[in-house]
Amino acid sequence: GENVEQHPSTLSVQEGDSAVIKCTYSDSASNYFPWYKQELGKRPQLIIDIRSNVGEKKDQRIAVTLNKTAKHFSLHITETQPEDSAVYFCAAPASLFSGGYNKLIFGAGTRLAVHP
Amino acid sequence: DTAVSQTPKYLVTQMGNDKSIKCEQNLGHDTMYWYKQDSKKFLKIMFSYNNKELIINETVPNRFSPKSPDKAHLNLHINSLELGDSAVYFCASSQLGTSGSPPSNEQYFGPGTRLTVT
Repeated sequence: GENVEQHPSTLSVQEGDSAVIKCTYSDSASNYFPWYKQELGKRPQLIIDIRSNVGEKKDQRIAVTLNKTAKHFSLHITETQPEDSAVYFCAAPASLFSGGYNKLIFGAGTRLAVHP
Repeated sequence: DTAVSQTPKYLVTQMGNDKSIKCEQNLGHDTMYWYKQDSKKFLKIMFSYNNKELIINETVPNRFSPKSPDKAHLNLHINSLELGDSAVYFCASSQLGTSGSPPSNEQYFGPGTRLTVT
């Protein structure tokens, strides 16, 4: 089955610096890779996702890159701000059901702290 | 306006008791999920229902029994609660496109239910 590894488990940066979180997956058939952000005491929320037909996707200060050959994908946050402090989860699908991915395997999470 | 809602938000109970958590989504999605998030923040899927039909049942003790009365609701009943059941339980929903509409894959999470077993 799918296995997702995420690094680092904790990341501390100064405000304005960039942050990079990396994930590797095992199932070469996977083709949808979301990233979720979970603030303290809140629910996980999708911040960006990428499909395997593109290598990079950007949305303002966040971007995701995908290397299908190496089976890894990364989240990049530029010009970090204190409100970026949260736990970030990557995920990869484990099975396809009627056109959609019904099972996501989540990485163990990265606790990002942005210091003013 | 709440897309995915859960009740209760907090649940404190003693070992051996039976409790239920309820979830409702008003997004018109065809699929709902239960996740368990432990103290180390690890998110693990437990169950998934598509149009009221169970499609994912991970290795979960049979003390946990999900029920989906309709595709907008998914409840979780837990019998004989144990200390190790203490966690945050998240409900989520998504559109897999089994009713003709296209899939979107994004999973929308509820606010979570923090269960503490003493």
